[in-house]
Amino acid sequence: DAGITQSPRHKVTETGTPVTLRCHQTENHRYMYWYRQDPGHGLRLIHYSYGVKDTDKGEVSDGYSVSRSKTEDFLLTLESATSSQTSVYFCAISNSLAGAEETQYFGPGTRLLVL
Amino acid sequence: AQKITQTQPGMFVQEKEAVTLDCTYDTSDPSYGLFWYKQPSSGEMIFLIYQGSYDQQNATEGRYSLNFQKARKSANLVISASQLGDSAMYFCVAGKSTFGDGTTLTVKP
Repeated sequence: DAGITQSPRHKVTETGTPVTLRCHQTENHRYMYWYRQDPGHGLRLIHYSYGVKDTDKGEVSDGYSVSRSKTEDFLLTLESATSSQTSVYFCAISNSLAGAEETQYFGPGTRLLVL
Repeated sequence: AQKITQTQPGMFVQEKEAVTLDCTYDTSDPSYGLFWYKQPSSGEMIFLIYQGSYDQQNATEGRYSLNFQKARKSANLVISASQLGDSAMYFCVAGKSTFGDGTTLTVKP
């Protein structure tokens, strides 16, 4: 299994507070991704990174920011959490954006509840 | 933009039988990858199988095979000899991180 951890695994917060989720990998993969999963649906891409300090927006990036200061860490920040951001957040890594090495490996997920 | 359609929200299969999970995709990319992931009730995402758009052969990984029909833009997952542990949600994914909404498979004893 790819070495990917997420912290925290569970979080309850209040509307309007900032929240930061951390993804840490030990695989030295270049690409890292943040997704959200809502009940009964697939994953939707929030942001991704293609290297240290290189990030780009995904399908549902509004209300989220990311940072990657080291290869192994990718942070997702909700500047001011809203109830619509209650979700399960997954981090993923891949070695490439093409071919079989585009295969993504996922962390265990973080359950976030915004009250 | 890419789009994945999984038309079967839920499927049932008898243990030891084969089952096919449907996936159609829409992409304008000339080269792309197609993936299937399994998500058991415990929540983790598990990679199952990959198919490249230029691969001549259908991909196989143990009991999993991918029935790839490029002209029809379909990439169906076939699970042979179903096991109780195969009960899970299955997602079809196109490269560039586009997920379908998934199919919940229940294997009956």
